[in-house]
Amino acid sequence: DVKVTQSSRYLVKRTGEKVFLECVQDMDHENMFWYRQDPGLGLRLIYFSYDVKMKEKGDIPEGYSVSREKKERFSLILESASTNQTSMYLCASSLEGQKPQHFGDGTRLSIL
Amino acid sequence: GESVGLHLPTLSVQEGDNSIINCAYSNSASDYFIWYKQESGKGPQFIIDIRSNMDKRQGQRVTVLLNKTVKHLSLQIAATQPGDSAVYFCAENPGGYNKLIFGAGTRLAVHP
Repeated sequence: DVKVTQSSRYLVKRTGEKVFLECVQDMDHENMFWYRQDPGLGLRLIYFSYDVKMKEKGDIPEGYSVSREKKERFSLILESASTNQTSMYLCASSLEGQKPQHFGDGTRLSIL
Repeated sequence: GESVGLHLPTLSVQEGDNSIINCAYSNSASDYFIWYKQESGKGPQFIIDIRSNMDKRQGQRVTVLLNKTVKHLSLQIAATQPGDSAVYFCAENPGGYNKLIFGAGTRLAVHP
């Protein structure tokens, strides 16, 4: 089975902090994705990566950056956390082509 | 997580009945579709997928139907069980790097 592991289930940070969310997959998938999930807004794509060191903006990249130095790891960075970034963050990975994305269990991030 | 289900349409069924969850997709160019199940506190879990060259695909207790003419997707769950209670999302791939567009979701509530 595909395993996508997010480093924290719950995280509390303060406004202005730099926040790192980590995601690791163990299936040698080329593609990795970061989403946020908010009530009434569904899943929204922040960034994705189709190869090591490659990244593409999703629908809501403002205030975020990403890093993919190794194939199995995809990091989401909140450069200066703000309260409107309080959300559930979900990481996913997939093979190339038309293949299902597989999700981690999410990180619930609260910015105070 | 537990807040995912707010503002979502709800389908209530009796245990043992069949469930049908519907989804209207947006992009006529989409050629790959996926259904996900999300239980409280967990990430979306892949259920079944279908490509546009098919109109029906069956899995274990689940069937996905695709009607490209009216851009409609449905998920049928046979003999619904309490463990099927969750939020169900459809997703479409309009092409390019396996990016997905997610529907808003439907909450399935199974009553004994």
